[in-house]
Amino acid sequence: GENVEQHPSTLSVQEGDSAVIKCTYSDSASNYFPWYKQELGKGPQLIIDIRSNVGEKKDQRIAVTLNKTAKHFSLHITETQPEDSAVYFCAASNPGNQFYFGTGTSLTVIP
Amino acid sequence: NAGVTQTPKFRILKIGQSMTLQCTQDMNHNYMYWYRQDPGMGLKLIYYSVGAGITDKGEVPNGYNVSRSTTEDFPLRLELAAPSQTSVYFCASSYPEGARPEQFFGPGTRLTVL
Repeated sequence: GENVEQHPSTLSVQEGDSAVIKCTYSDSASNYFPWYKQELGKGPQLIIDIRSNVGEKKDQRIAVTLNKTAKHFSLHITETQPEDSAVYFCAASNPGNQFYFGTGTSLTVIP
Repeated sequence: NAGVTQTPKFRILKIGQSMTLQCTQDMNHNYMYWYRQDPGMGLKLIYYSVGAGITDKGEVPNGYNVSRSTTEDFPLRLELAAPSQTSVYFCASSYPEGARPEQFFGPGTRLTVL
């Protein structure tokens, strides 16, 4: 089955700096790559996603890049704010809509 | 729309007891999922369903059962609770394959087995 690895497990940045989280996947059939933000005590919430036929996608301060050849994708958050502090998960989905999640990155934005 | 709702929010079980975690969605999604999340770990798929009457095993199905008699409901059953089933359980739903497969998650059920 699919194996998704995520790094780093924890990340601290100063407010206003950028944060980058990286994931790799193993199954070349995976074609959909969402990123989720999970706040304490809540369920994960989708923040951005990318399909395998696209190399980059941006939504305001958040961007995702995908390298299909190398089987890795990354989340970029620019101009970080304290409210960006949360746990972020990457995931990979195959055409059967089975989702495989990374182990999460705990992001802390220091005011 | 309420989205995905889960009950209960919290539950403590004794070893060997059974219980059903309830999940309901009002978005008319065909696909529904059950995950467990252990501390410091990602989500692991327990079971999923692609439509009423159809269920399939995920990565960690042992000790659990599911049913899908309607599009809206996807209950998860624990028959003989074990300490290893202490976890936070999330239900999710999504659009059918081919559309944007965004998953919508419920708020979770925190289960402790003592």
